[in-house]
Amino acid sequence: DVKVTQSSRYLVKRTGEKVFLECVQDMDHENMFWYRQDPGLGLRLIYFSYDVKMKEKGDIPEGYSVSREKKERFSLILESTSTNQTSMYLCASSPIDREGYEQYFGPGTRLTVT
Amino acid sequence: GQSLEQPSEVTAVEGAIVQINCTYQTSGFYGLSWYQQHDGGAPTFLSYNALDGLEETGRFSSFLSRSDSYGYLLLQELQMKDSASYFCAGSLTLDSSYKLIFGSGTRLLVRP
Repeated sequence: DVKVTQSSRYLVKRTGEKVFLECVQDMDHENMFWYRQDPGLGLRLIYFSYDVKMKEKGDIPEGYSVSREKKERFSLILESTSTNQTSMYLCASSPIDREGYEQYFGPGTRLTVT
Repeated sequence: GQSLEQPSEVTAVEGAIVQINCTYQTSGFYGLSWYQQHDGGAPTFLSYNALDGLEETGRFSSFLSRSDSYGYLLLQELQMKDSASYFCAGSLTLDSSYKLIFGSGTRLLVRP
């Protein structure tokens, strides 16, 4: 079974703090994604990566950056958190032959910024 | 803009059949996926339609009509464990990369 793990299930941060969210997948997938999920808005793509050291902006990249130094690891960085970044953050991975439709999700990190 | 529309909530009785519709407005569209998410859980992939028509996977079927920019997920012989949120997602090409655009989700409540 594909396993996608995320570094934390719950995080509480103060406004202005820096946050690293880490995601690791164990299936040698080329593609990795970061989403945020908010009630009534579904999942929105923040950034994605189709190879080591490669990254592409998604639909809502403002206020976020990413890092992919190793194939299995994709990190989301919030340089200076704000209250509007309170959300559920989901990481996903996908093999190259199903990259456009079949993604495997981690359990999510619920981030609260106060 | 790119968008997928689906009903926010559907209620059905155990053992019945329910259909969750999804209409889309996207450019670069090449397929429609469905994901299931239980409360507190991660989304899990259910099905994918690249071509028009019906795809069946056990109790679940998914349909796509490109000419109508429309698809649906059909759940048969509903069970209590099917109570979850269901998301349609459009597969899009962007230059040489691919991504999914998700609908806002349909919350399915199965009653005894």
